[in-house]
Amino acid sequence: IAGITQAPTSQILAAGRRMTLRCTQDMRHNAMYWYRQDLGLGLRLIHYSNTAGTTGKGEVPDGYSVSRANTDDFPLTLASAVPSQTSVYFCASSDSRQGGYGYTFGSGTRLTVV
Amino acid sequence: GENVEQHPSTLSVQEGDSAVIKCTYSDSASNYFPWYKQELGKRPQLIIDIRSNVGEKKDQRIAVTLNKTAKHFSLHITETQPEDSAVYFCAASNERNFGNEKLTFGTGTRLTIIP
Repeated sequence: IAGITQAPTSQILAAGRRMTLRCTQDMRHNAMYWYRQDLGLGLRLIHYSNTAGTTGKGEVPDGYSVSRANTDDFPLTLASAVPSQTSVYFCASSDSRQGGYGYTFGSGTRLTVV
Repeated sequence: GENVEQHPSTLSVQEGDSAVIKCTYSDSASNYFPWYKQELGKRPQLIIDIRSNVGEKKDQRIAVTLNKTAKHFSLHITETQPEDSAVYFCAASNERNFGNEKLTFGTGTRLTIIP
């Protein structure tokens, strides 16, 4: 089934630990995104990638890094987690070259940093 | 960059009544405006979108209107049903500018349909 997969579904992480959230899509979408969702703040863009090999910073990039080695995968890494990074993280993809039909979202990763 | 404001943050309506959610955007170059519905514990899902070359679009009980001059767009849900209860997000982007078509989201509206 075509779509976008995130892992893990949820995670409790000790502060200071390193963590990588995984995101894989099989729709051959060129663009991929990472958002965090916090109550009252909506969805805020962390990092994005318009095509394999390129990445860019979003609205809230500090403390996060990404890579886009190929079309399908777009992992998000927290180098040293802090409690303020407790959030629900959504990966999304789009075929922006076709003038888009909006994003397809993954099912999210609920991360708690303690 | 783009800034999208969404109102109200919460909305309760009687089943069968209409609901309206409003958004404003700041970047006059934005030309694509989708709406997403997010049920509790689920991922956001696209329900309707509109591009700047039209003023209104309908899909059954859902409609979206766009006023480019005032830079605002609205979601209208008629004959509301309990399954319409969810959080709704508006968003805006510039599709013509490849590399700059990232969506900027509003802060969401929690819609509750009262049976």
